[in-house]
Amino acid sequence: EVQLVESGGHLVQPGGSLRLACAASGFTFSRYNMNWVRQAPGKGLEWISYISGSSSTIYYTDSVKGRFTISKDDANNSLYLQMNSLRAEDTAVYYCVGGSGKYSYGSRIQTFDYWGQGTVVTVSS
Amino acid sequence: DIQMTQSPSSLSASVGDRVTITCRASQTISNYLNWYQQRPGKAPKLLIYGISILQTGVPSRFSGSGSGTDFTLTISSLQPEDFATYYCHQTYSILPWTFGQGTKVEIK
Repeated sequence: EVQLVESGGHLVQPGGSLRLACAASGFTFSRYNMNWVRQAPGKGLEWISYISGSSSTIYYTDSVKGRFTISKDDANNSLYLQMNSLRAEDTAVYYCVGGSGKYSYGSRIQTFDYWGQGTVVTVSS
Repeated sequence: DIQMTQSPSSLSASVGDRVTITCRASQTISNYLNWYQQRPGKAPKLLIYGISILQTGVPSRFSGSGSGTDFTLTISSLQPEDFATYYCHQTYSILPWTFGQGTKVEIK
């Protein structure tokens, strides 16, 4: 059974830092692309970061670029998100998401296959 | 950024109803279109990818269609477990990958 378990969410003051972790099991972690997706209270989903299975490719959405760093440790089947210079608008549930590419009519479609239960980050003074 | 606009934002329906949710992209996204279901208090779940391909284990009452910029998720006969929020999602352009704002399906 696939499991993604996030941890590290907390109440933090604006300007502070947090490190989120995600422990993966039940699938070949090193072969999967991994993502962080967040959901602000009562709002929709926002993709924020991607790391390829080999860690060779990393992307961020503009609003977190330069403040957040994604990384993974294949030996320990773990994904991380280092969050610095936190702002009130970073308040959200943060989901660890395992993705893959599925072929459809010659296109390789990136999908978000496996989701953790989420960890809550609150940025407030 | 590619903007994804869903309509309606919410709808009320009864068990057994046919439900249709629309998603429009701000530019053509070919077939890089996925749909997710999120039940209250739970993580999202992949339903459909590549416009119309059902993820393994998803009931056949769910279907997807469309092309270019306009896409549709249809539930042919709404079941109690289908009351949830549904999101479309484009992966045509990663700068950034974007979701629709969601459509909440409520019990009438």
